[in-house]
Amino acid sequence: DVKVTQSSRYLVKRTGEKVFLECVQDMDHENMFWYRQDPGLGLRLIYFSYDVKMKEKGDIPEGYSVSREKKERFSLILESASTNQTSMYLCASSFRDRDNQPQHFGDGTRLSIL
Amino acid sequence: QQPVQSPQAVILREGEDAVINCSSSKALYSVHWYRQKHGEAPVFLMILLKGGEQKGHEKISASFNEKKQQSSLYLTASQLSYSGTYFCGKGTSYGKLTFGQGTILTVHP
Repeated sequence: DVKVTQSSRYLVKRTGEKVFLECVQDMDHENMFWYRQDPGLGLRLIYFSYDVKMKEKGDIPEGYSVSREKKERFSLILESASTNQTSMYLCASSFRDRDNQPQHFGDGTRLSIL
Repeated sequence: QQPVQSPQAVILREGEDAVINCSSSKALYSVHWYRQKHGEAPVFLMILLKGGEQKGHEKISASFNEKKQQSSLYLTASQLSYSGTYFCGKGTSYGKLTFGQGTILTVHP
């Protein structure tokens, strides 16, 4: 079974802090994704990576950056956390074949910015 | 642009059927369906590709209408375990998805 592991289930940080969310997958997937989930808005893509050191902005990249130094690991960085970044963050991975590969999700990190 | 799901929420009794729709204002080339139970990760159900459909589960099936730019998820003889939030995802490029806002399904005994 595919395993996507996010480093924390719950995280509380303060405004202005630099925050790191980590995600590791064990299936040798090329693609990795970071989503933000808010009630009534569904899953919105923050950033996407299709290979090591490669990244592409999603729909809501402002205030975030990412790092992918190894194939299995994809990090989401909040450069200077703000209260409007309080949310559930989900990581996912998949093979890179164009349309017919499912995404596999981690359990999520519920981040609160105080 | 996000696909639009309808209804936003539906409440059923065990054994009843439900249909969840996913509509796009632009052409649909592939549609993914996922279910997320409360406090858990979204789980893949099935993918429908342009020109065909792929069934992932016995009592949960889906259709893909290219002309209407719409996909529908059918839940037959619902069970308590079907409760959760259902998301459709529109395939864009290189495996990226744009998800709808979700449909909350609640099944009561």
